[in-house]
Order: sequence, then structure tokens, then C-alpha cells
Amino acid sequence: TQLLEQSPQFLSIQEGENLTVYCNSSSVFSSLQWYRQEPGEGPVLLVTVVTGGEVKKLKRLTFQFGDARKDSSLHITAAQPGDTGLYLCAGGQDGSARQLTFGSGTQLTVLP
Amino acid sequence: GAVVSQHPSRVICKSGTSVKIECRSLDFQATTMFWYRQFPKQSLMLMATSNEGSKATYEQGVEKDKFLINHASLTLSTLTVTSAHPEDSSFYICSVKAGGRGYTFGSGTRLTVV
Repeated sequence: TQLLEQSPQFLSIQEGENLTVYCNSSSVFSSLQWYRQEPGEGPVLLVTVVTGGEVKKLKRLTFQFGDARKDSSLHITAAQPGDTGLYLCAGGQDGSARQLTFGSGTQLTVLP
Repeated sequence: GAVVSQHPSRVICKSGTSVKIECRSLDFQATTMFWYRQFPKQSLMLMATSNEGSKATYEQGVEKDKFLINHASLTLSTLTVTSAHPEDSSFYICSVKAGGRGYTFGSGTRLTVV
């Protein structure tokens, strides 16, 4: 069974601070996605990374895929209250009959 | 990704009754859809893979007779929670993988069994 561990599980920070969320696995993934989910809503895709070592930026969010495609990180610069939500990483395998494997989630709260 | 519509967004039902949740792919013909369950502040857990015109594939530990899945067309999959009990109360989410456009999730259904 493939497992994706996210850390930290919970994170509460002040507006303006920086933070990093980690997503780690012992398995190799062909792609890795990051989602953000707000209460009562479905997850919304933020980014997909497919190449080892790839870095993608989305405004204040920076996503990195590990060289070995087993891990990923999400860095948020100058966090804002609007960044509050549940952040989920999910790994995909080409040719696999299974769906995405989701990480355990990181609940981020940004205080004004 | 695809445009996915899930209905209802919230439902409250009495214990022992059945509840049907619909997942529609509005702009993509989805031969496969996925159903997840999510508890508060936790990640998504895959329940089953819905296959158009054939039986759904259930994950280990998910009761087939409890969670009935029907995928009769390329745009609609339904999840029926039969004889619901309070422990079935949860957030249920469907998703569609639209080829190269990746995965899109429905807005979820909050089920409360009283």
C-alpha cells in the first residue's frame, strides 16, 4: 500500500509569516498534485508536478517535486488569512487502476 | 479539469432510510468516476471506483451492499447509502478524471443521519 505522509498535520501561524508543508512517501509517483479544500467544499487543484526536481510557482505558493519523485513540498510566502484551509497532496501512478493516493492532510490556519 | 456537479450538498435523513447522492460530469464523458468519504479535518478515503456499464470496484473494508453505486451513463454516477445509520454521517465527494485535464472533484455532500 502506498502511503503519503504530510507534515505538519496542523499549523497555525500569523499573517505575514512563511510556512512549508511536506509530503513524503517511500514510493515513486509519476505525478504529484496539491489541493486546497475549504470546509463544506470539494478539493480544488492547485498544481500538478510530474518531473523530478520540478519547481512551480503560483503567486505566493511554491511547489517542488523531489528529484526521486517520492516527496514534495509546498511553501507559502507571506501567508494571508485567505490561505486558511486543508492542504492535501496526492500521488498518481500512470497505468495504475487505482485513483490518486491522498496524503494525510495539513490544516492551515492563518490568523489576522 | 472536467466540470463536475454533485447533488445534494447537504442531506439529513432518519436512521434506517436510504439516501442517493448524484455526481454528474457536465462536459466530459466519464467512463470512470470515483467516490470518497471524508471525516472532519481528515483526508479523503477512496471508497469505490464507479465504472460505466459495469460493476463498481470497492476498496477493502467498504460494504458493497451498504454503499450502492450505479453508473448507468457516461455523465452520471450515483451513490446510495442504504439503511443509513448515524455512523454513516460523513462528507461524501465524487471525482472525475478527464483525460489530460486531470482530476476534478465535486463540491461534496454532507450527510447527517439522525
